[in-house]
Amino acid sequence: EDQVTQSPEALRLQEGESSSLNCSYTVSGLRGLFWYRQDPGKGPEFLFTLYSAGEEKEKERLKATLTKKESFLHITAPKPEDSATYLCAVQAATSYDKVIFGPGTSLSVIP
Amino acid sequence: DAGVIQSPRHEVTEMGQEVTLRCKPISGHDYLFWYRQTMMRGLELLIYFNNNVPIDDSGMPEDRFSAKMPNASFSTLKIQPSEPRDSAVYFCASSFLSGAGGGEQFFGPGTRLTVL
Repeated sequence: EDQVTQSPEALRLQEGESSSLNCSYTVSGLRGLFWYRQDPGKGPEFLFTLYSAGEEKEKERLKATLTKKESFLHITAPKPEDSATYLCAVQAATSYDKVIFGPGTSLSVIP
Repeated sequence: DAGVIQSPRHEVTEMGQEVTLRCKPISGHDYLFWYRQTMMRGLELLIYFNNNVPIDDSGMPEDRFSAKMPNASFSTLKIQPSEPRDSAVYFCASSFLSGAGGGEQFFGPGTRLTVL
């Protein structure tokens, strides 16, 4: 069964303290892995798509990387406005356009 | 474009009542997804449409749930009869790409449903 797990469940960082979020997945052939950001009371907002192992994508203080079994979202020198829940999602080669979301990591950046 | 529009934003109802959630996708998007989000189960896909046709409804929890997409600019998710365990935030999302590109979905603000 296709599955996505994320760790840690919650993370508290001081402003400027870099860290990484982990997304581990088990799918029957990866078509794509996606990162989303969700602010309280809002819908998820798309950040990145990664297609193959070794690929990296960057956006401001965020960098997403992909291996054959997991993805990392690296946050460099975070600011309070980076506080949000970060969701990882995968699409399997056999599941057409269906996307499976992980449980998310709640990030708090303290000034 | 105004983005994905959902209504109502909040719905409080009593057990046994019918609930209808509405969604207007972004113009030009071929795919429409309905999700449910709870603390316990996270974000779950209920059903999705491509060109107004339901493709996969395996996530619909029971026969009490039904979804329609009568045209490219409107979809409904209906719960009849509603139960307290249906309380959740329901999101509608749309996308214009297929395959892995379909993972880039645009979400609406959600409808917070409370069933008493």
